[in-house]
Amino acid sequence: DAGVIQSPRHEVTEMGQEVTLRCKPISGHNSLFWYRQTMMRGLELLIYFNNNVPIDDSGMPEDRFSAKMPNASFSTLKIQPSEPRDSAVYFCASSTRLAWGYEQYFGPGTRLTVT
Amino acid sequence: TQLLEQSPQFLSIQEGENLTVYCNSSSVFSSLQWYRQEPGEGPVLLVTVVTGGEVKKLKRLTFQFGDARKDSSLHITAAQPGDTGLYLCAGYTGGGNKLTFGTGTQLKVEL
Repeated sequence: DAGVIQSPRHEVTEMGQEVTLRCKPISGHNSLFWYRQTMMRGLELLIYFNNNVPIDDSGMPEDRFSAKMPNASFSTLKIQPSEPRDSAVYFCASSTRLAWGYEQYFGPGTRLTVT
Repeated sequence: TQLLEQSPQFLSIQEGENLTVYCNSSSVFSSLQWYRQEPGEGPVLLVTVVTGGEVKKLKRLTFQFGDARKDSSLHITAAQPGDTGLYLCAGYTGGGNKLTFGTGTQLKVEL
């Protein structure tokens, strides 16, 4: 298996610009998660989808953030407009239900720097 | 609100030493997982514990789930430089698939 694929791996942009992060989950996994990691706040869940449907977006910081999952093999996280405080590593993870629960598998992350 | 507190936050030891990392909560978890994250990479799942009191071993790593399913520990025997990384515990509550991560323990093992 290829694992969870994220692109780009690094993104540097100026404040006010639109940023789109992309994720391809593991084939067959029906849940997808977007996380943000910073030194100050650790790993935070932003939003997750089950069967392409957003289930919990309570972690999305504000209206500047939006996420979509148009099909089972692709998801995007968009920030518009971006701000310096959005600088962080953004991870996508996917999971499937097992007999006892779930196991999540993470992508390599996208390091976002907003100047 | 951080539901899972890990201790210590930082740990720097010499190769060959033993160590224990703790993960504590006031909440009950249906299952608990441990991840290791290396610089520039995503967290990698090490183990899942499901039953209260359960002990799992992965080579030199021993994981234990508390009897009340509110806490867990990770013990490393004879640490090696390759064990260096950020260790994260994470738990599932109820029947959902939303994972709550701990505060993390940064481990450095030096020669």
